[in-house]
Amino acid sequence: AQTVTQSQPEMSVQEAETVTLSCTYDTSESDYYLFWYKQPPSRQMILVIRQEAYKQQNATENRFSVNFQKAAKSFSLKISDSQLGDAAMYFCAYRSIPSYGGSQGNLIFGKGTKLSVKP
Amino acid sequence: DGGITQSPKYLFRKEGQNVTLSCEQNLNHDAMYWYRQDPGQGLRLIYYSQIVNDFQKGDIAEGYSVSREKKESFPLTVTSAQKNPTAFYLCASSIGQVLTQPQHFGDGTRLSIL
Repeated sequence: AQTVTQSQPEMSVQEAETVTLSCTYDTSESDYYLFWYKQPPSRQMILVIRQEAYKQQNATENRFSVNFQKAAKSFSLKISDSQLGDAAMYFCAYRSIPSYGGSQGNLIFGKGTKLSVKP
Repeated sequence: DGGITQSPKYLFRKEGQNVTLSCEQNLNHDAMYWYRQDPGQGLRLIYYSQIVNDFQKGDIAEGYSVSREKKESFPLTVTSAQKNPTAFYLCASSIGQVLTQPQHFGDGTRLSIL
């Protein structure tokens, strides 16, 4: 079974600085999808960025980018020019390809990293 | 605007009582999901439904039940068999098996024991 590990329960960054959140996963599959979700104090889950495993190019969305290392099974999130509104829980998630009699392709989440932003 | 509506925002359950959490979406999504979130834990899948009148157990289905009579609605019942129901419950939906499309989440329901 696939697992997702976020080894940093909490992280802190100074406003306008850069921070990197770590995520590793365990899978025997070659094709899959990876996501980072943000959960602010309002508790709603918001998609930050997604990565298809077959793409070598790292995904980027404005100030958010990933470092996807497929061989190392690593999927870290870099937040540049951190803002106070970035303070939230961040969850890494894995989604496999559905297969008959196998995976249903549901999301598997890590335990999350709580990011604090200092003014 | 399209989205997912969960109600109520807060819910209290007495011992031995069943309670039902509502989830409605107007995104025209085929798939819907229920997750449970405990402090210090990631989201864990309770039940999911890929199509009307069909649903599947997730990782922690014991003590819960669902129905999917309409595409827009996926209510979750927390039964008296669930001995530790206090948690935050999130409903989500997605466009079926289009894998690049993310799951969209509701605002959640916090369930507590009286």
